[in-house]
Amino acid sequence: SQKIEQNSEALNIQEGKTATLTCNYTNYSPAYLQWYRQDPGRGPVFLLLIRENEKEKRKERLKVTFDTTLKQSLFHITASQPADSATYLCAPTTHTGGFKTIFGAGTRLFVKA
Amino acid sequence: KAGVTQTPRYLIKTRGQQVTLSCSPISGHRSVSWYQQTPGQGLQFLFEYFSETQRNKGNFPGRFSGRQFSNSRSEMNVSTLELGDSALYLCASSLGIQGSGNTIYFGEGSWLTVV
Repeated sequence: SQKIEQNSEALNIQEGKTATLTCNYTNYSPAYLQWYRQDPGRGPVFLLLIRENEKEKRKERLKVTFDTTLKQSLFHITASQPADSATYLCAPTTHTGGFKTIFGAGTRLFVKA
Repeated sequence: KAGVTQTPRYLIKTRGQQVTLSCSPISGHRSVSWYQQTPGQGLQFLFEYFSETQRNKGNFPGRFSGRQFSNSRSEMNVSTLELGDSALYLCASSLGIQGSGNTIYFGEGSWLTVV
């Protein structure tokens, strides 16, 4: 069956370090994959989109990689700050009886000052 | 420009009742999708509407329904509410249908509690 796996355990890192979050998917062939940030009680906010023919995408302190062979996307936040503390959601868009965007359960990131 | 607007933000209903949630997409966006978010299940896709037509739906019972109006505004309805329907219901809009590469923008959600 189709599955998206993100680290279910929270990730705790020190301010200034690089946070790396993992998204693995099985039985999917995403046309593209998006990363979102969600704060408690709020709707998810779009961060980055990477297409299947792209290996890497950057935006300011954020970097996303997409390895369709490994069926994995990595999300990096460099020079992390306490304000980066949030839940990060991986969302591949796939074509299974019509395109739809499926969300992973998310990884909670805590950045300590 | 204004973001995705959802109403009401919070509501409490009794088992067996029905509820209607409303969503106004970003101006110019024609696709509206609905998601249910619970602590245990994460974000679950309910359905997507584009130009007043349901394009796709997730694995939810028929008690969950929706519609989209000519101005792209959308409503979702849940009938015969169950305790397990308590969740954050999120509406998302995008320029084109899912799969077209357009970013999905979410509203702040409607918190539904069923007692």
